[in-house]
Amino acid sequence: DTGVSQDPRHKITKRGQNVTFRCDPISEHNRLYWYRQTLGQGPEFLTYFQNEAQLEKSRLLSDRFSAERPKGSFSTLEIQRTEQGDSAMYLCASSLETRQTSNEQFFGPGTRLTVL
Amino acid sequence: AQKVTQAQTEISVVEKEDVTLDCVYETRDTTYYLFWYKQPPSGELVFLIRRNSFDEQNEISGRYSWNFQKSTSSFNFTITASQVVDSAVYFCALSRNTGFQKLVFGTGTRLLVSP
Repeated sequence: DTGVSQDPRHKITKRGQNVTFRCDPISEHNRLYWYRQTLGQGPEFLTYFQNEAQLEKSRLLSDRFSAERPKGSFSTLEIQRTEQGDSAMYLCASSLETRQTSNEQFFGPGTRLTVL
Repeated sequence: AQKVTQAQTEISVVEKEDVTLDCVYETRDTTYYLFWYKQPPSGELVFLIRRNSFDEQNEISGRYSWNFQKSTSSFNFTITASQVVDSAVYFCALSRNTGFQKLVFGTGTRLLVSP
């Protein structure tokens, strides 16, 4: 399977715990995005990487959130001291920046987080 | 600021009917991209189309067609002869076409196709 993969698919945690999600983009895709989707809403942008550099962060991304993309391959999103409001689907997307494929973002299956 | 409005929350049709999903957008950028994504019950967003703002030609792909009208800031999506497998939530999205290109999504339209 050469699509975007995410792990885990589901995570249930207690309030105050830390969680980490992983995203493996389509190989050779140089851009990687994280989005968050709550019930009945469209995805909302969280952060974006061009290769290993984190270039943009949304105001939605509080200090409790941190993302990395070491070596420009997979990415991790960590949430510290989780709150019930963090419950959502966390989506990862990747794209290859060429004239023909510019910003065609392909999404992974998501990680559904439930904070009790 | 960029904004996408999908006024239709849910549409129900019977198989083989044609259905149009509306999308209206706002942006200050002179050039931009428009997208449609499908989110079936399994949850994974599936890319359907990207349209550049300088290309107003309508596009057809099988039973799918897209009508881009810059004058009314609309990018509507029509499914011809709908099938049960078309049941999903459909999202319209907007991005810049240079530099930082986050997708700004609408709230989605849930399409229910019954047999």
